[in-house]
Amino acid sequence: SYELTQPPSVSVSPGQTASITCSGDKLGDKYTCWYQQKPGQSPVLVIYQDTKRPSGIPERFSGSNSGNTATLTISGTQAIDEADYYCQAWDSSTYVFGPGTKVTVL
Amino acid sequence: QVQLRESGPGLVKPSETLSLTCTVSGGSVSTGDYYWSWIRQPPGKGLEWIAYVFYTGSTNYNPSLKSRVTISLDKSKNQFSLILNSVTTADTAVYYCARALDVTGYDLGYWGQGTLVTVSS
Repeated sequence: SYELTQPPSVSVSPGQTASITCSGDKLGDKYTCWYQQKPGQSPVLVIYQDTKRPSGIPERFSGSNSGNTATLTISGTQAIDEADYYCQAWDSSTYVFGPGTKVTVL
Repeated sequence: QVQLRESGPGLVKPSETLSLTCTVSGGSVSTGDYYWSWIRQPPGKGLEWIAYVFYTGSTNYNPSLKSRVTISLDKSKNQFSLILNSVTTADTAVYYCARALDVTGYDLGYWGQGTLVTVSS
C-alpha cells in the first residue's frame, strides 16, 4: 500500500514562513491536498490539487508538488495557524493520509 | 452549501457491530458524480480513510478494513451509512463522514463534525 511521510513537528515564529513536507514514491505524479485540524475540530481543506486554495482560505497558504515531495507553505504565519496538518494523496482511487505534522507558533 | 452530520451509538461492545449514518443536507447523495466517504481518527492519532460510495452506489474500501466494512447509500433519506463488524478496542475513534470538494474526487472538501465511538464492554 502507498505510504506518505511527514515530519512530526515544525516550529515557526510569528510572521515567519513555515514549510511542511510530505513525501511518497513519485508523489509528484499524484494529486495531493492538505488539511488543517485544530483540537476538537474537524479537518479543513486548505490546499487541493497540489496548489489550489478553496474559497475562504487565506492567501498565506500555498502548495507545491514535484518529484517525491509535496510542500505546504504558510507565509507570514499567525498564531491562529497553530494546528495539526495532514497531507493526503489520491492513489489507485483511494485516499491516503500522511501521519500529520504539528505546527507550533512560538 | 452541503452539510453532513454523523449519527449513531457512542458505545459499542467488543465483537459487536458498529453502525453509523451520515445525513446530508444542501446536496443530494444520488446525483452529481460525488464520492461520499467515511474517515476515522483514534484519540490522539491521525486520520484513516475507511471507504467511499459513489453516487451510483459503487464502492471502494481501505484494504486494511475491507473484510469488516460495508458502506451504502440510502437515496430516499439522502443518507449514507457505515457498518463495521467484529469491533475491538482498536476501533475506538472519532468517525467522520465527508464529501469531495468537487467531482474530481481527489480530496475531501466537506466534513461532518464527527462522532466519537468507544468500543468497550
